[in-house]
Amino acid sequence: AQSVSQHNHHVILSEAASLELGCNYSYGGTVNLFWYVQYPGQHLQLLLKYFSGDPLVKGIKGFEAEFIKSKFSFNLRKPSVQWSDTAEYFCAVNAPVRGSYIPTFGRGTSLIVHP
Amino acid sequence: EAGVTQFPSHSVIEKGQTVTLRCDPISGHDNLYWYRRVMGKEIKFLLHFVKESKQDESGMPNNRFLAERTGGTYSTLKVQPAELEDSGVYFCASSRFRGNTEAFFGQGTRLTVV
Repeated sequence: AQSVSQHNHHVILSEAASLELGCNYSYGGTVNLFWYVQYPGQHLQLLLKYFSGDPLVKGIKGFEAEFIKSKFSFNLRKPSVQWSDTAEYFCAVNAPVRGSYIPTFGRGTSLIVHP
Repeated sequence: EAGVTQFPSHSVIEKGQTVTLRCDPISGHDNLYWYRRVMGKEIKFLLHFVKESKQDESGMPNNRFLAERTGGTYSTLKVQPAELEDSGVYFCASSRFRGNTEAFFGQGTRLTVV
């Protein structure tokens, strides 16, 4: 079965610092990869996704992620974070499970950005 | 287009009581998923409906949990009787096609069993 590992559970940054959140997955076949974000008091929403093509994908609010197949990784980056990026970030993989695609999530990373 | 809605947003019940959570997916979405997140841990898959059929319920913790999806529209997740370890946030998500597509999430129901 596929699994997703997020290495940083809690990250605290100052505004304008650069961000990189690690995500590794375990599944040998074709996968589609997602980063979701949950802002305080809001529901989970899609930040960006990778299905195929250019392994460097750009999402909303200046986020990007790079799919490195050889490393089974899909790390999230942002060059300069803002206070409003304070949220929880979840990496997810869609892989076939018994004939259906089931999104599987990592543990999540809590990001706090100090103004 | 309305998003995925869940009701209630919060529920506090005593151990041994019954609670029913409801999820209304986006109209036209055949896939409906239930997940649970216990504090600080991963978002764990519970089960998957395709229309009204349970496609995969391998993540359901035990037989105190019962999920239904009436007519392939809204879904309910009943916990009976509730135990302390059932506390957590229950998320519902839906997606359009059977294949590999983005899932849209509801705001979650925070269940506290005391």
